[in-house]
Amino acid sequence: DAGVIQSPRHEVTEMGQEVTLRCKPISGHNSLFWYRQTMMRGLELLIYFNNNVPIDDSGMPEDRFSAKMPNASFSTLKIQPSEPRDSAVYFCASTIQGRGRAEAFFGQGTRLTVV
Amino acid sequence: EDQVTQSPEALRLQEGESSSLNCSYTVSGLRGLFWYRQDPGKGPEFLFTLYSAGEEKEKERLKATLTKKESFLHITAPKPEDSATYLCAVFSGATNKLIFGTGTLLAVQP
Repeated sequence: DAGVIQSPRHEVTEMGQEVTLRCKPISGHNSLFWYRQTMMRGLELLIYFNNNVPIDDSGMPEDRFSAKMPNASFSTLKIQPSEPRDSAVYFCASTIQGRGRAEAFFGQGTRLTVV
Repeated sequence: EDQVTQSPEALRLQEGESSSLNCSYTVSGLRGLFWYRQDPGKGPEFLFTLYSAGEEKEKERLKATLTKKESFLHITAPKPEDSATYLCAVFSGATNKLIFGTGTLLAVQP
């Protein structure tokens, strides 16, 4: 199994530009999580999906952030417009619903830099 | 407010020098405490789950313990390959949220 696959690994963009991060969960997993990691705040859950349906998006910082999961094998996190304070590492994680989100498998992350 | 605090922020050990990492927490309705290892440029990797005070879990040179206020990750005779950031998290039954600490960066020198 290739694990959770995220793309791109690194993204540098200018303030105001749209950024789209992509995630392919592990085949057979039906829960998917988007996290953001910074030195100051650590890992924070942004949103999670069960069976492609958003369950809790209370961690999405503001309307500039949106996430979709059109099918079981693909999810996107979009930031529009991006701001320098969005610079962070964004992780996607997946697991089997009921197993517990704490034991989810993480991707390698996308390091986003907004200049 | 649910909170997780890890200490120290960074720890440098000589190979074979045992030590402990601390994770102190306040949480409404603890539904589990979790330890992870994170290597540079990678996502966290799940290590242990602890559910109740007095519980212990072991894996190779790592042992995790839990009290009502904190957890310790004991590292016995560490090797350079144990170098990583170790994260602690708690699951709140009251808010249904997983709260992470900011981690301890461990460096083990040969």
